[in-house]
Amino acid sequence: NAGVTQTPKFQVLKTGQSMTLQCAQDMNHEYMSWYRQDPGMGLRLIHYSVGAGITDQGEVPNGYNVSRSTTEDFPLRLLSAAPSQTSVYFCASSYLKGNEQFFGPGTRLTVL
Amino acid sequence: EDQVTQSPEALRLQEGESSSLNCSYTVSGLRGLFWYRQDPGKGPEFLFTLYSAGEEKEKERLKATLTKKESFLHITAPKPEDSATYLCAVRPISSGSARQLTFGSGTQLTVLP
Repeated sequence: NAGVTQTPKFQVLKTGQSMTLQCAQDMNHEYMSWYRQDPGMGLRLIHYSVGAGITDQGEVPNGYNVSRSTTEDFPLRLLSAAPSQTSVYFCASSYLKGNEQFFGPGTRLTVL
Repeated sequence: EDQVTQSPEALRLQEGESSSLNCSYTVSGLRGLFWYRQDPGKGPEFLFTLYSAGEEKEKERLKATLTKKESFLHITAPKPEDSATYLCAVRPISSGSARQLTFGSGTQLTVLP
């Protein structure tokens, strides 16, 4: 199993540009989520999904959209990038009845 | 508001020098407390889940314990490969389907040979 994969690993955007961060898992996990990690602030939940076709907001959802058309994929879209979105983004997944979340390797995003 | 505070922020140990990392938490009701290890440039890697006060779990040189207000990660005779950032997180009962974890800022551990 590849586990949780994320692409790209690094990305630089200009303010106002849009892009999609890709996340996929091959463990048949129902639950998937996106976190951002900023220095001194810990990981914070952006959006999550409990299954295909079902998504909801986390702690810091503004400026981000998600969709879940399949069990495996959970892309995160930045509609109009802002410097405040400069961060490291992690995708995670788990079984719905489990507690252990498996994290991907992360995407480091810089918005100029 | 749920809060997680980890101390110290950074810790340098000599190889073989045992120590403990602290995670203090405030949560309305605890569904679980989690410890993760994070290496530079990588995602967090799950270590332990603790559910109730008095519970302990061990893995190699690591042992995690839980009280009603804090958790400790004890590292016995550490090796350089134990160097990493250790993250603590709590899942409150109120998180429901969000399974939202509140993370601490982490303790950066360096073990010198």
